[in-house]
Amino acid sequence: ETGVTQSPTHLIKTRGQQVTLRCSSQSGHNTVSWYQQALGQGPQFIFQYYREEENGRGNFPPRFSGLQFPNYSSELNVNALELDDSALYLCASSFSKGGQQQETQYFGPGTRLLVL
Amino acid sequence: QKEVEQNSGPLSVPEGAIASLNCTYSDRGSQSFFWYRQYSGKSPELIMFIYSNGDKEDGRFTAQLNKASQYVSLLIRDSQPSDSATYLCAVGGLTFGKGTHLIIQP
Repeated sequence: ETGVTQSPTHLIKTRGQQVTLRCSSQSGHNTVSWYQQALGQGPQFIFQYYREEENGRGNFPPRFSGLQFPNYSSELNVNALELDDSALYLCASSFSKGGQQQETQYFGPGTRLLVL
Repeated sequence: QKEVEQNSGPLSVPEGAIASLNCTYSDRGSQSFFWYRQYSGKSPELIMFIYSNGDKEDGRFTAQLNKASQYVSLLIRDSQPSDSATYLCAVGGLTFGKGTHLIIQP
């Protein structure tokens, strides 16, 4: 098992609500990336945080936002939930020196979100 | 738009045989390539990574990279039923393919 933890494990929300997902990175890691994985699809990159700053973003609307804290843990916030937001949300941590090359990531167990 | 293509399968391989999984990518500037295994209902787990052209071996797994052809593959020797899973290719670390569903037949 990796040292990456996520909470909660499962969540049910209704359309229009807001949700916050949490991730604790592996010890020694300074970078956290968030992914959305719909059923039967590969993980889709949402954004990455490096040393508390957003360090890249995928093709997701602004209602997906995040934070990274001084201890390198992170939150993913999703506002105005839509039915299509139902997915497995994955957090991955890594140690980065801040360069262009993406370092090896280790995934947490994920949060399964269902929007009704 | 960076793209990573994988055959979704299912790819069925007899136990003990070699399973060959393939991945092509669109971004010529990509420098890092990763293979993950994902069991149903679980999160991806890293199998191996490769940065340079050629082969890289780790136990029963061999990753092969050809940057000129924009192609990366994963070979699994002596396939076991426990290898049955979805295999995800990630290019540049952040762009994933849809995965190939591998079934090892006992």
